Amino acid sequence: SAVISQKPSRDICQRGTSLTIQCQVDSQVTMMFWYRQQPGQSLTLIATANQGSEATYESGFVIDKFPISRPNLTFSTLTVSNMSPEDSSIYLCSVVVLAGGAGELFFGEGSRLTVL
Amino acid sequence: QQPVQSPQAVILREGEDAVINCSSSKALYSVHWYRQKHGEAPVFLMILLKGGEQKGHEKISASFNEKKQQSSLYLTASQLSYSGTYFCGAGTASKLTFGTGTRLQVTL
Repeated sequence: SAVISQKPSRDICQRGTSLTIQCQVDSQVTMMFWYRQQPGQSLTLIATANQGSEATYESGFVIDKFPISRPNLTFSTLTVSNMSPEDSSIYLCSVVVLAGGAGELFFGEGSRLTVL
Repeated sequence: QQPVQSPQAVILREGEDAVINCSSSKALYSVHWYRQKHGEAPVFLMILLKGGEQKGHEKISASFNEKKQQSSLYLTASQLSYSGTYFCGAGTASKLTFGTGTRLQVTL
């Protein structure tokens, strides 16, 4: 298993500002993932944070809007830049833990952002 | 493409059974199931790796029909603690596409 801590747990932000979300894992992991969950919706993968290289972004997500840092094997940050109300979502950090030959995702508690 | 789940929502009385279906338009090689309680993070339930595989987890089990690109989650004798939103996931854990979700509410 993995214990994942995210900060902040929630925030209310003004349009046009940026916010950085931090994710700390209790063990070293190769890959960390950032997901977005819009209100009442499913989870969508934003990007994979790789230590020592640039993050890999999924279709529809760009580095200028969601810059990611991965300074070491236990920590990552996601910045939501130039926010608009459409960015109001829960942002979740996750890692893969191998069990019985298959990987399962463990999630942090999420960071709930409201953009006014 | 995102897997489609049905039903979108279901209300059960405690002790009743439910089936949640997950259907993909693309080939499915493995299926993950997660449950997310309100205000909490999703929690892993199980993964099915082979077509035809069935797995059980207490009173929650699942099947995987690779040919039909479908998976079903079975909840028997539901308990209040089963309430939440259930998501299937297609792909590997490092690149998971979550389904549309099924909201399950268990009442007394």
